[in-house]
Amino acid sequence: DTAVSQTPKYLVTQMGNDKSIKCEQNLGHDTMYWYKQDSKKFLKIMFSYNNKELIINETVPNRFSPKSPDKAHLNLHINSLELGDSAVYFCASSPQFGGGEQFFGPGTRLTVL
Amino acid sequence: QKEVEQDPGPLSVPEGAIVSLNCTYSNSAFQYFMWYRQYSRKGPELLMYTYSSGNKEDGRFTAQVDKSSKYISLFIRDSQPSDSATYLCAMSPSGSARQLTFGSGTQLTVLP
Repeated sequence: DTAVSQTPKYLVTQMGNDKSIKCEQNLGHDTMYWYKQDSKKFLKIMFSYNNKELIINETVPNRFSPKSPDKAHLNLHINSLELGDSAVYFCASSPQFGGGEQFFGPGTRLTVL
Repeated sequence: QKEVEQDPGPLSVPEGAIVSLNCTYSNSAFQYFMWYRQYSRKGPELLMYTYSSGNKEDGRFTAQVDKSSKYISLFIRDSQPSDSATYLCAMSPSGSARQLTFGSGTQLTVLP
């Protein structure tokens, strides 16, 4: 009965590869988010989707593309991976856009070699 | 200058101590204030959620917001080793663009 789940938990890949991270929430929330957490634990919003529509697209490289097949899923596809993409990526959801009550997934630790 | 400043620590206290964690911010539009707890290799979990100035208590945890000083605090009473984690403050403005801005987190260790 996990609220927000992500797969995979760990991802190790070579520079230049393309990879995807999947996220699912079973809370019935309208809004989902992707965050990046760097090695210093700083959490930064990347994308937000409200009812399958992109409503925030922070200044992230266009190699990152979120895709939401329905409001319970928000996947993150990354093209041409670079060393600097190594981080922990968290998916989150909230009942409505911007609500402080955001529920986070367990994270995907991406390592680019 | 970052919008939200938080002392990264690390902070070590003995079991039973009162812990005080703090954040300062510069954006006067922030209206919603939160504290998240993040255990090692886990996702952040919401601990406290407050709106505007004032205090909120939940068990051993008390959150305080002083908007005039742009300062928020989280107090943990009777701290336990299980409280050892990174504590992240987060805040957002009101209105339609209420995205969260996080502090960098304070790493807390409660020693048995």
